[in-house]
Amino acid sequence: GQQLNQSPQSMFIQEGEDVSMNCTSSSIFNTWLWYKQDPGEGPVLLIALYKAGELTSNGRLTAQFGITRKDSFLNISASIPSDVGIYFCAGQPDKLIFGTGTLLAVQP
Amino acid sequence: NAGVTQTPKFRVLKTGQSMTLLCAQDMNHEYMYWYRQDPGMGLRLIHYSVGEGTTAKGEVPDGYNVSRLKKQNFLLGLESAAPSQTSVYFCASSTIREWGYNEQFFGPGTRLTVL
Repeated sequence: GQQLNQSPQSMFIQEGEDVSMNCTSSSIFNTWLWYKQDPGEGPVLLIALYKAGELTSNGRLTAQFGITRKDSFLNISASIPSDVGIYFCAGQPDKLIFGTGTLLAVQP
Repeated sequence: NAGVTQTPKFRVLKTGQSMTLLCAQDMNHEYMYWYRQDPGMGLRLIHYSVGEGTTAKGEVPDGYNVSRLKKQNFLLGLESAAPSQTSVYFCASSTIREWGYNEQFFGPGTRLTVL
């Protein structure tokens, strides 16, 4: 089955650093979503993107819908310990397809 | 609102046993989904439903059955559990916007181990 290429697989950073991750697909998507999963919990929606080129922020998080509609980016500024978790991108040609996740660890 | 709830949270089965996972949502969403999450694999769609009384296969449906008798509930059944079905199972629900885009809201997950 199709899965999105998400990178990096993991990141280990210091508190206060900025974080960038991205997701690419061989297919054009109509929707890009970014989810965060805390340990032992289900994914929670962070940002939804609906138009090519769209740039959307949610607090310290900023996500962009790539112009080609085949990629998306998520940036986290000034990371804090509670940013720890797995971040998933998801794209929708018809049914939602998830990336393999980026594990983020933040050291105080 | 409780959102999406799942029962049970944990379960250990022996190979060949059967069980049913229950998902309930109180958001009046039309669509419901069952996913499994395995290390390094992300989330993979097992089955989904676009409304009461309807079900459809997802990416990895083999070994699972589902039923959607009520709009708010979506059941996932394992008739004869296998060790390969050891996983974390997530239920999700969504509505459909006018452009056909859906934002899925997830339950807390059920951790299933098959020995």
